[in-house]
Amino acid sequence: AAGVIQSPRHLIKEKRETATLKCYPIPRHDTVYWYQQGPGQDPQFLISFYEKMQSDKGSIPDRFSAQQFSDYHSELNMSSLELGDSALYFCASSLDSRGGSPLHFGNGTRLTVT
Amino acid sequence: DAKTTQPPSMDCAEGRAANLPCNHSTISGNEYVYWYRQIHSQGPQYIIHGLKNNETNEMASLIITEDRKSSTLILPHATLRDTAVYYCIVRVVLASGSRLTFGEGTQLTVNP
Repeated sequence: AAGVIQSPRHLIKEKRETATLKCYPIPRHDTVYWYQQGPGQDPQFLISFYEKMQSDKGSIPDRFSAQQFSDYHSELNMSSLELGDSALYFCASSLDSRGGSPLHFGNGTRLTVT
Repeated sequence: DAKTTQPPSMDCAEGRAANLPCNHSTISGNEYVYWYRQIHSQGPQYIIHGLKNNETNEMASLIITEDRKSSTLILPHATLRDTAVYYCIVRVVLASGSRLTFGEGTQLTVNP
């Protein structure tokens, strides 16, 4: 079965640079979620989109923005990168027009800021 | 979302059943119980979820108490590949989607 695809798998950036992470949800899924997981921490919710509109917002820094496009893929844009942004970034998708549909996660993008 | 409480770690012998408990005493009537696991640095993997009835799938069984204040995830025949952090999450379901809030989870170690 098709899974959530994230790219790139690894990304190395320097401080103050920008980064763009991409997420391709499972076909027909209408909701995308972004999570950040720092070293030794549990995944933290950043933001979600339902039918291309922002549906929920968590602890996402103002330096980050995201959107969902007409083909349902999503991009997380990160500017003025800081060392503390080094983390695993996971995208998940679900079919939320069906209540109770679980989130399915991709294998993440590992961002390293030097 | 309601808070959950899980033991920080558990051990299980390979081939035996692993029973992972979770307390969610403040759960509301419209909140589901979800279980996920995360193998080191991989994306969280969905296992099972339920509202009030017991559930079973090819991976595990979920037993929810009648008052819904606690649940148990059962892996019937644990293997070494089941070693992971297991998260019990209570989630309200909305038509426009709702987040999963991860707590600290249980580190399950399956021993040969």
